[in-house]
Amino acid sequence: GNSVTQMEGPVTLSEEAFLTINCTYTATGYPSLFWYVQYPGEGLQLLLKATKADDKGSNKGFEATYRKETTSFHLEKGSVQVSDSAVYFCALSDPSNTGKLIFGQGTTLQVKP
Amino acid sequence: EPEVTQTPSHQVTQMGQEVILRCVPISNHLYFYWYRQILGQKVEFLVSFYNNEISEKSEIFDDQFSVERPDGSNFTLKIRSTKLEDSAMYFCASREGGSNTEAFFGQGTRLTVV
Repeated sequence: GNSVTQMEGPVTLSEEAFLTINCTYTATGYPSLFWYVQYPGEGLQLLLKATKADDKGSNKGFEATYRKETTSFHLEKGSVQVSDSAVYFCALSDPSNTGKLIFGQGTTLQVKP
Repeated sequence: EPEVTQTPSHQVTQMGQEVILRCVPISNHLYFYWYRQILGQKVEFLVSFYNNEISEKSEIFDDQFSVERPDGSNFTLKIRSTKLEDSAMYFCASREGGSNTEAFFGQGTRLTVV
């Protein structure tokens, strides 16, 4: 079945460090791919998305490229801030017409000043 | 900016009691979902709802669960007889159209079964 695997956390970085959170997926068909972020005590917010192979999603300095050949959608940011501390979820939209999301297990990012 | 709203934010209930979690999706959205997140675990799909009926449900969504859209604006999740393992954060989400469009999530309801 369809699934998403993320690198295990927590990830602890110093401010201005480079961030990579790995995400790989297994899917039949052509899913859309998403990164959602969950700040402490809040719900899930869409960070970025890509709907087809080679698309790059970007937002707030974060980027991820939909790589069909490696079935990956790694999240990157060149210089993290303390305010980026949150849990990051990679997800795919099931290609069936219900559009449900299948999430990875989440990666906790802690950025220290 | 339109948003999905959920009430209550936190509910404590005794095992065996019925609970109803409420959601108001974004008004022009057509697809509605419930997800849950047990503490420290991944977000899991429960059920999707479209055109006034369930379009898909997961194995978790057994006979104890039901959903309703009673009045065209609210979208509710009922758990008939709660168990300890139902303790989780429950998220409602809605989507305007197809599977490549963004799903908007509510802030969640934390359900604690004691």
